[in-house]
Amino acid sequence: EVQLVESGGGLVKPGGSLRLSCAASGFTFSSYSMNWVRQAPGKGLEWVSSISSSSSYIYYADSVKGRFTISRDNAKNSLYLQMNSLRVDDTAVYYCARNKRGDYWGQGTLVTVSS
Amino acid sequence: DIVMTQFPDSLAVSLGERATINCKSSQSVLHSSINNNYLAWYQQKPGQPPKLLIYWASTRQSGVPDRFSGSGSGTDFTLTISSLQAEDVADYYCLQYYSIYPTFGQGTKVEIK
Repeated sequence: EVQLVESGGGLVKPGGSLRLSCAASGFTFSSYSMNWVRQAPGKGLEWVSSISSSSSYIYYADSVKGRFTISRDNAKNSLYLQMNSLRVDDTAVYYCARNKRGDYWGQGTLVTVSS
Repeated sequence: DIVMTQFPDSLAVSLGERATINCKSSQSVLHSSINNNYLAWYQQKPGQPPKLLIYWASTRQSGVPDRFSGSGSGTDFTLTISSLQAEDVADYYCLQYYSIYPTFGQGTKVEIK
């Protein structure tokens, strides 16, 4: 069974940093591109970042470019999102999702940026 | 960026009736060489992650009831629920994954009339 489990969310002050993790199981992680998608409270879905299976290709939404860094460790079946210079409008549930069409999603982890 | 526009923003449908949600992209998401539309539909219930219903615009994800169907090509797409059930109350989103920068529609809330 495919499972994606996010962790690392929490409350952080504006300007602070957090590192999100997504632990994958039930499939060959190294064969799939992965994504981070977020959803602000009461709002729609926003794609944040993508990484190819071998980390050769990495893309970011303009809203996070230069502040967030996506990475993966295929040996550990894990995906990461390093978030720096956090802003109030980064407050959201962050989901990891498998491949370009998002066939599997984790339950999400809540990031709250507030003073 | 490709802008995805869904309409309506919300709709109320009687149980057993048809629900239709539309999604329009600002440019074509049809990859002509392989004749596939890079368009997906998701269902999201409160407190849950999105669930993939349809990909390649019309291919039903495994385990999705056949009352859900997708159609369209190029820039205009439709998700149809042929006979609305109580468990279908949710938000629905389209996604284009043609671009290296995927974009979602703003969502459509489906309720029971």
